[in-house]
Amino acid sequence: EVQLVESGGGVVRPGGSLRLSCEATGFTFDDYGMSWVRQAPGKGLEWVSGINWNGGSTGYADSVKGRFTISRDNAKNSLYLQMNSLRAEDTALYHCARDVHSRTTLHDYWGQGTLVTVSS
Amino acid sequence: QSVLTQPPSVSGAPGQRVTISCTGSSFNIGAGYDVHWYQQLPGTAPKLLIYGNSNRPSGVPDRFSGSKSGTSASLAITGLQAEDEADYYCQSYDSSLSGLVFGGGTKLTVL
Repeated sequence: EVQLVESGGGVVRPGGSLRLSCEATGFTFDDYGMSWVRQAPGKGLEWVSGINWNGGSTGYADSVKGRFTISRDNAKNSLYLQMNSLRAEDTALYHCARDVHSRTTLHDYWGQGTLVTVSS
Repeated sequence: QSVLTQPPSVSGAPGQRVTISCTGSSFNIGAGYDVHWYQQLPGTAPKLLIYGNSNRPSGVPDRFSGSKSGTSASLAITGLQAEDEADYYCQSYDSSLSGLVFGGGTKLTVL
């Protein structure tokens, strides 16, 4: 059974940093690209960042470019999101999701998310 | 303001048919990129509902169907059931943003 479990969320002050983790089980992790997708309270889904199977290719939404860094450790079956210079508008539930690279990338499995709150 | 535009809400009585539209542009849906649909039940993670415009993953009832034409896509739900009450999101790729994009989401209420 595919499982994605996020951790690392919490309350942080504006300008602060946080590192999110996502542990993957139930599939061959390095066969898949992975993404982070966030959902602000009461709002819709926003793709944040994606990474290919070996970490050699990454992508970011304009809203986080230059502040967030996605990475992965295939030996640990884990995905990470380093978030720096956090802003109030980064407050959201952050999901990790498994990518399927068809003609257009889709997310076939999602974790339950970890909540990040940016507040003074 | 989402790149893909969905109606904020739709509603229907049990047994009825509803459709949810997803309107994009020549940079995303109109450029030939596929549209995928997700269902998010209250308090849960999103679940893949339709992929590649019109394909259902294993386990998704055939009451759910998808289509795409031009710069738009649609999700149709027939034989509405109470458990279909959820938020629905479309997703594609946008070449001007070089990234994945979601619609703003549509809340389905079963009357």
